[in-house]
Amino acid sequence: NAGVMQNPRHLVRRRGQEARLRCSPMKGHSHVYWYRQLPEEGLKFMVYLQKENIIDESGMPKERFSAEFPKEGPSILRIQQVVRGDSAAYFCASSPQDRTGELFFGEGSRLTVL
Amino acid sequence: RKEVEQDPGPFNVPEGATVAFNCTYSNSASQSFFWYRQDCRKEPKLLMSVYSSGNEDGRFTAQLNRASQYISLLIRDSKLSDSATYLCVVKRDTGRRALTFGSGTRLQVQP
Repeated sequence: NAGVMQNPRHLVRRRGQEARLRCSPMKGHSHVYWYRQLPEEGLKFMVYLQKENIIDESGMPKERFSAEFPKEGPSILRIQQVVRGDSAAYFCASSPQDRTGELFFGEGSRLTVL
Repeated sequence: RKEVEQDPGPFNVPEGATVAFNCTYSNSASQSFFWYRQDCRKEPKLLMSVYSSGNEDGRFTAQLNRASQYISLLIRDSKLSDSATYLCVVKRDTGRRALTFGSGTRLQVQP
């Protein structure tokens, strides 16, 4: 049973480009969460999705960031017109239901904006 | 004020020592509590849940004080492999349903 798969593991973008980060949850998990971790800081909640629905996007910046979890395929976190401050590790996590306290995290995607 | 506050450390302790971490949370709607562990440049993993009556898992003991909105983690007989960042995590049952993570406390166990 594969764990949460994220790709790419490392992504380098120049300012103004777009970054797309993908996350495939664990088999049987229908809840996906995205967190951002800046260097030497904690995990900051961004968005919580179920299939085809955004449940909570209160942690997402209002501009340039979007997320989706389509019926088929991975969840995608999209960052348009990246800036240096977007450089961070982006972790995806999944759970089988939202009442659990155990999130299973992927290894993260590390975005570097030059 | 942060919703979950932790002393960032680092805590440098010798092997075999007992070390305790504390965490405070500000939102009284927080209903569930956990400790996660994150190794350097790795993903976080659940260490243990924290129950109102306190709970123990081997060398690890977690306690919760709802009145003071305070959570603790005690590690006995520290091992080199315990070196990591320990994240205090809370979950509300209303409002935001995702987990809220503290910034973590770094532990370095030395030989």
